[in-house]
Amino acid sequence: DTGVSQNPRHKITKRGQNVTFRCDPISEHNRLYWYRQTLGQGPEFLTYFQNEAQLEKSRLLSDRFSAERPKGSFSTLEIQRTEQGDSAMYLCASSSGGLEKLFFGSGTQLSVL
Amino acid sequence: AQSVTQLDSHVSVSEGTPVLLRCNYSSSYSPSLFWYVQHPNKGLQLLLKYTSAATLVKGINGFEAEFKKSETSFHLTKPSAHMSDAAEYFCAGRGNEKLTFGTGTRLTIIP
Repeated sequence: DTGVSQNPRHKITKRGQNVTFRCDPISEHNRLYWYRQTLGQGPEFLTYFQNEAQLEKSRLLSDRFSAERPKGSFSTLEIQRTEQGDSAMYLCASSSGGLEKLFFGSGTQLSVL
Repeated sequence: AQSVTQLDSHVSVSEGTPVLLRCNYSSSYSPSLFWYVQHPNKGLQLLLKYTSAATLVKGINGFEAEFKKSETSFHLTKPSAHMSDAAEYFCAGRGNEKLTFGTGTRLTIIP
């Protein structure tokens, strides 16, 4: 399967702990997006990369959130000092040039207890 | 920035009957609009997109949508529902370099 891969699929953590998610985009896709989806809501934009450069961050991305995409390949999203409000599905998507066709991964479901 | 509103949070139809999922958009200029489907435990999949070409857009799995500027609408339709169509559907609009999604419509198919 050469789709977008996200790991882990599920993460349960205690409040205050740090968590890190990984996204492996489709090979050769230069754009990578992170979205967050809470129950009953549509995905909300967090940030995106063009190759290794992070070009835009949403106001939703507080100082506790950091995303990286070293070498323009996989990306990681880290949440420090997790809060219960961080519980959500974190989605990654990639594309080969723009928004015309995004390919989404299955997401990482985070539960903060 | 583009914003979209999905008018129904939940739609139920009987198998074999038509499907209508409603989406309205707001934009001061010609929009780019999308419909995505999300099956349980799966990623979002693009159904179709409108990018200022033909106003009637055909997508995968027999779905289509019509862009109506006078009504600022981009409703998703399918002539005959199939059990496999049961899923969450999201309308999205393009704003700068990102998509803005609606709140979703859960489609239930009654056997």
